[in-house]
Amino acid sequence: AQSVSQHNHHVILSEAASLELGCNYSYGGTVNLFWYVQYPGQHLQLLLKYFSGDPLVKGIKGFEAEFIKSKFSFNLRKPSVQWSDTAEYFCAVKRLGTDKLIFGTGTRLQVFP
Amino acid sequence: GAGVSQTPSNKVTEKGKYVELRCDPISGHTALYWYRQSLGQGPEFLIYFQGTGAADDSGLPNDRFFAVRPEGSVSTLKIQRTERGDSAVYLCASSSRTGTDTQYFGPGTRLTVL
Repeated sequence: AQSVSQHNHHVILSEAASLELGCNYSYGGTVNLFWYVQYPGQHLQLLLKYFSGDPLVKGIKGFEAEFIKSKFSFNLRKPSVQWSDTAEYFCAVKRLGTDKLIFGTGTRLQVFP
Repeated sequence: GAGVSQTPSNKVTEKGKYVELRCDPISGHTALYWYRQSLGQGPEFLIYFQGTGAADDSGLPNDRFFAVRPEGSVSTLKIQRTERGDSAVYLCASSSRTGTDTQYFGPGTRLTVL
């Protein structure tokens, strides 16, 4: 079965540190890839998505992610985090021809000032 | 404009009871999705509708779970004979069409089965 792995369950950083959250998926066919964020007390929101084209995708709030097909990875990055980035981050995959999102277990990010 | 709304925000019930959870999608969105999120896990797909019909219900865990969308807008997730293992946050999402469009999530309904 298709699965999504987020190996970092809990990340703690100081403000201005760089961030990279890992995401790997198991499906070998064509996929669409997403990062969602859930700020404390808020809904899941889309950070960025990849469907095709340039494998380096830029999203909101300075986040970006790179799709590396050979590694089945879609890691999320931000060069300098802020306290307001404290949230839970979910990677999700949608297999071509289906509409359901398959989510990873999430990474909890805490940023201290 | 208004986002996806879900009611109730919290529901506490006793084992064996029947519950209904409601989702109001973004106006004009034809695709509607239900997910379930257990503690410490990511959302898990249950079912999605394109219009009034269930296009994929492969995620429903068993026949105690059922969902409807009779007029192609509001959807209701129905759980019969609730079990303690059904306790979770039930999320609804909608998109303007299936395929490449973003799924917009609601705030969820937290279901607790005692």
